[in-house]
Amino acid sequence: GAVVSQHPSWVICKSGTSVKIECRSLDFQATTMFWYRQFPKQSLMLMATSNEGSKATYEQGVEKDKFLINHASLTLSTLTVTSAHPEDSSFYICSASQGATGELFFGEGSRLTVL
Amino acid sequence: GENVEQHPSTLSVQEGDSAVIKCTYSDSASNYFPWYKQELGKRPQLIIDIRSNVGEKKDQRIAVTLNKTAKHFSLHITETQPEDSAVYFCAAKRYYGGATNKLIFGTGTLLAVQP
Repeated sequence: GAVVSQHPSWVICKSGTSVKIECRSLDFQATTMFWYRQFPKQSLMLMATSNEGSKATYEQGVEKDKFLINHASLTLSTLTVTSAHPEDSSFYICSASQGATGELFFGEGSRLTVL
Repeated sequence: GENVEQHPSTLSVQEGDSAVIKCTYSDSASNYFPWYKQELGKRPQLIIDIRSNVGEKKDQRIAVTLNKTAKHFSLHITETQPEDSAVYFCAAKRYYGGATNKLIFGTGTLLAVQP
C-alpha cells in the first residue's frame, strides 16, 4: 500500500510557542490530505481537508488562524499549531488517499504536549 | 454532514469467542465503509472495508455486513485471539472516484480479549 510519513512523531513545547508538523506522501502524489486530531480515549476528529495549491477547508469549530495548513506540493502538507496551549495537547494524524479505491493511508501520528 | 455512531464502546470477550461491533450512519449517500484497528499510540490500520454495492465481505476471521436500507453496518470477528485486543473504529464516506471526500469516524470500541 501507499506510504504516508509524519514528522515529528512527538514534540513537547512551551505554552505560547508554535509547532509545525509535516505530512508526506512518500510514493504517490496526494492532491488532498486530511488532518485529524485524537484526544486520549476518543475518536479521530477531522480538523481540515488540505488541498494542494489552494486554501484548506476547515471543519466547523476548528480555528483556521490557530491551525495553519499549507499544502504547497503534491507530496507535502504541513500543520502549524500557533500559540499552542495545554488544551492543544493531542495526537495529530494526517492521511491521504491514493488511486481509485478511496482507501485512506495514515501517517504515524504526532503527539503534541504543550507545557 | 455525515454522523457515525458506534456501539458498544467497550467489549470484553473470552478468547475463541466472537465479537460484534455495530455502526449506524446518517448520510444515505455514503457508499464506502472501512473498519480500522488502532493500537495504543499508533496509527489506524485498515482491516476490512465494504462498498454499498455488496451486503457482506469476509476476510479470514473478519467479516463486515452492510444494510443500506437501515443505514447500519457491523464488524464480526470470529475465534478471537488476545492480539485482537485494540480499539476498533468504523467510518463512512461518500466516494465517487475522487480523493477529496472526507472520512468520518465512529466513536470507537475498545475490544479486550481475555485469554
